[in-house]
Amino acid sequence: AQSVTQLDSQVPVFEEAPVELRCNYSSSVSVYLFWYVQYPNQGLQLLLKYLSGSTLVKGINGFEAEFNKSQTSFHLRKPSVHISDTAEYFCAVSLTGNQFYFGTGTSLTVIP
Amino acid sequence: GAGVSQTPSNKVTEKGKYVELRCDPISGHTALYWYRQSLGQGPEFLIYFQGTGAADDSGLPNDRFFAVRPEGSVSTLKIQRTERGDSAVYLCASSLSGGATEQFFGPGTRLTVL
Repeated sequence: AQSVTQLDSQVPVFEEAPVELRCNYSSSVSVYLFWYVQYPNQGLQLLLKYLSGSTLVKGINGFEAEFNKSQTSFHLRKPSVHISDTAEYFCAVSLTGNQFYFGTGTSLTVIP
Repeated sequence: GAGVSQTPSNKVTEKGKYVELRCDPISGHTALYWYRQSLGQGPEFLIYFQGTGAADDSGLPNDRFFAVRPEGSVSTLKIQRTERGDSAVYLCASSLSGGATEQFFGPGTRLTVL
């Protein structure tokens, strides 16, 4: 079975500072990779996904992620965060597009 | 258009009771997923429907859990003989065609088993 590790359960960062949320997965074969965001009192929403091709993926709200096959990582980055980015972020992996395995989430808090 | 809706939003039941949780996907979406999210955890895959059939039910924890989607639209997750450990938020998501296409999540049903 696939597994996803999000090493940081909580990440506080000052407004306008850069942020990186880490995600590592376990798989010896090609996978699909996703980042979802859950704003307070809202459902999960897709930020971005990697299927194949360019290893740098750009998503909504200025977020991007880089797929690194050798390190089995898919870290999420934003060069300058806003207060509105405060949310829970989940990394997910899928081998076939049927089953999706989610990490335990990273709570990002942007400090004014 | 309307997003994915789930009813009820909250359900409190007693240990041993039977519950049904409903999911209305986005119209036209052939793929439907059920997940369970416990406190402090990410969503845990339960079952995936493609049309009316369960394409992958390997995430269902045991035979007390069952899900149907008889007409390829609305889905019902059924839990028999509920246990306190079943308490969680149950999430439903739909996507246009399954695979790696974007999943749209509903707000979830919070199930509490006393």
